[in-house]
Amino acid sequence: DGGITQSPKYLFRKEGQNVTLSCEQNLNHDAMYWYRQDPGQGLRLIYYSQIVNDFRKGDIAEGYSVSREKKESFPLTVTSAQKNPTAFYLCASSADRGQGGYTFGSGTRLTVV
Amino acid sequence: KQEVTQIPAALSVPEGENLVLNCSFTDSAIYNLQWFRQDPGKGLTSLLLIQSSQREQTSGRLNASLDKSSGRSTLYIAASQPGDSATYLCAVEGGKLIFGQGTELSVKP
Repeated sequence: DGGITQSPKYLFRKEGQNVTLSCEQNLNHDAMYWYRQDPGQGLRLIYYSQIVNDFRKGDIAEGYSVSREKKESFPLTVTSAQKNPTAFYLCASSADRGQGGYTFGSGTRLTVV
Repeated sequence: KQEVTQIPAALSVPEGENLVLNCSFTDSAIYNLQWFRQDPGKGLTSLLLIQSSQREQTSGRLNASLDKSSGRSTLYIAASQPGDSATYLCAVEGGKLIFGQGTELSVKP
């Protein structure tokens, strides 16, 4: 079955630590996205990539970094510079730059301890 | 700037009722509109995708309509079931995917 796999489901981060969230897709989609979801704020775009080796900042990129070395993979690193990282993170992919619709993963819940 | 609004924010109905969820958007220059379902603590599941040239899409008990000129979409759920309880999100794509805040649906047995 084609889809998006996010791992881990739950992640705990200590203060000052960087953590990396994994996102893999086997849909052969060119574009991939990272969203953050907080209660009462909806989904906000962190970073997106429309092609391998290229990525752009979304609305809330500060404190985050990404890479896109392979078409199938788009990992997100939450750095120590992100002051409020506790949230639910969702990865998505699309064909035709969104014109074919979006497919989302099951999410990673990150908690700062 | 595109803004997407969903009304109502929450809805509770008895099992078996037909119901309508509303979504409005401010900029009609969109490629498509997509309805998603989200269960608590889970990712988004795509329900229906309506291209800008289409008026409606149907899947089982779900029917979504799109009126670009008025900036509105509705999601119709027929014969609701407790398993339909979830948050329903609409999102418009016009170069960037913009989400509404969602409607939290509860279907009581």
